Amino acid sequence: SAVISQKPSRDICQRGTSLTIQCQVDSQVTMMFWYRQQPGQSLTLIATANQGSEATYESGFVIDKFPISRPNLTFSTLTVSNMSPEDSSIYLCSVGQGAGKTQYFGPGTRLLVL
Amino acid sequence: DQQVKQNSPSLSVQEGRISILNCDYTNSMFDYFLWYKKYPAEGPTFLISISSIKDKNEDGRFTVFLNKSAKHLSLHIVPSQPGDSAVYFCAASSMDSNYQLIWGAGTKLIIKP
Repeated sequence: SAVISQKPSRDICQRGTSLTIQCQVDSQVTMMFWYRQQPGQSLTLIATANQGSEATYESGFVIDKFPISRPNLTFSTLTVSNMSPEDSSIYLCSVGQGAGKTQYFGPGTRLLVL
Repeated sequence: DQQVKQNSPSLSVQEGRISILNCDYTNSMFDYFLWYKKYPAEGPTFLISISSIKDKNEDGRFTVFLNKSAKHLSLHIVPSQPGDSAVYFCAASSMDSNYQLIWGAGTKLIIKP
């Protein structure tokens, strides 16, 4: 399976600021996803990061709040814009790879907004 | 509408015994089911999966059973070990999806020494 890294691993931010999270994969992958896991909750898909085109956002998530870049098949960024305390979550990137529609996840970015 | 349900928020099992985690689904178009394990402050780790054409898949201490008529699957861990203490997520994928998964709420498994 792909090896996935995320930066930063954690951050504490002030409300109203923005944070960009990077996701790097050690091999080329077509499907890359961004998730959020709020405290005590399940995984919520934010968007599918498409290489060379705009990301596909899930209901409740918009590009202005969560702009995503996917410049190539090994890298993507997610920006959390104009943050509020409600954005405090773990943000995860994942890739779809191999047989069986399996997704493999990065280690996550733990964000706390004060 | 929750298409994948894990009705037990938590489960406590004695070390060495069998852990059984359950998952129900409503969408008959799901054709692949996966189990993930998640420790706090880490990303989920893929454990085991099963295609809808099978009713059982085994990998070491982990076995997943699928009952399509009941729209139910379960993950058996035997014997349970302290390192198995984690949150377990059930996920499903439908025939027309492209690696997109529908997730259950998770079950926190606690292995008691």
